[in-house]
Amino acid sequence: QVQLQESGPGLVKPSQTLTLTCTVSGGSISSGHYYWSWIRQHPGKGLEWIGYIYYSGSSYYSPSLESRVTISVDTSKNQFSLKLSSVTAADTAVYYCARQNSYFDYWGQGALVTVSA
Amino acid sequence: EIVLTQSPATLSLSPGERATLSCRASQSVSHYLAWFQQKPGQAPRLLIYDASRRATGIPARFSGSGSGTDFTLTISSLEPEDFAVYYCQQRFNWPPALTFGGGTKVEIK
Repeated sequence: QVQLQESGPGLVKPSQTLTLTCTVSGGSISSGHYYWSWIRQHPGKGLEWIGYIYYSGSSYYSPSLESRVTISVDTSKNQFSLKLSSVTAADTAVYYCARQNSYFDYWGQGALVTVSA
Repeated sequence: EIVLTQSPATLSLSPGERATLSCRASQSVSHYLAWFQQKPGQAPRLLIYDASRRATGIPARFSGSGSGTDFTLTISSLEPEDFAVYYCQQRFNWPPALTFGGGTKVEIK
């Protein structure tokens, strides 16, 4: 059974960089069949796709966030990571990592990140 | 960007009733549409993919239909555990891009 788990600071100061890591178990990121995504959900709101990465390192980001987003992969640790720079209170959200094989079939439980001084 | 509009925003029904949720795309997405269920404090769960295919383990009371720009998720007889928020998502021009709808909340009447 594939499992994904987000980890990282729950509180980030404005203008700093938000960093989260997703650890995948029960399957290999290097298998090549999947894309590995980050999705966020503002409090009480809908879902917003942030971007994805393939095991080879190729990535694509949502146009609305691409100037501030970097997603990277570490196949040796079976992890992928999200960096979001210059955060503001508007970046306060629950951040999910998810596996995508055409559609998002496995999700992490989500990590709440609050941006506040 | 393809915009998905879900209606209604809230659906108030009783257990045992039929729920019909709509998702309309701003341009054709063919059959490349999925439905997700999200309960409070939980991650979304894939229910339906490719407009009408049930994901693994999803009960038969959930069904999807539609193609092009108009899609429907039907829950034939609501169970207590079905009261949740439902999102549609398209992948017509993926990779790279994909989008989610704004969601429909199914609440107990």
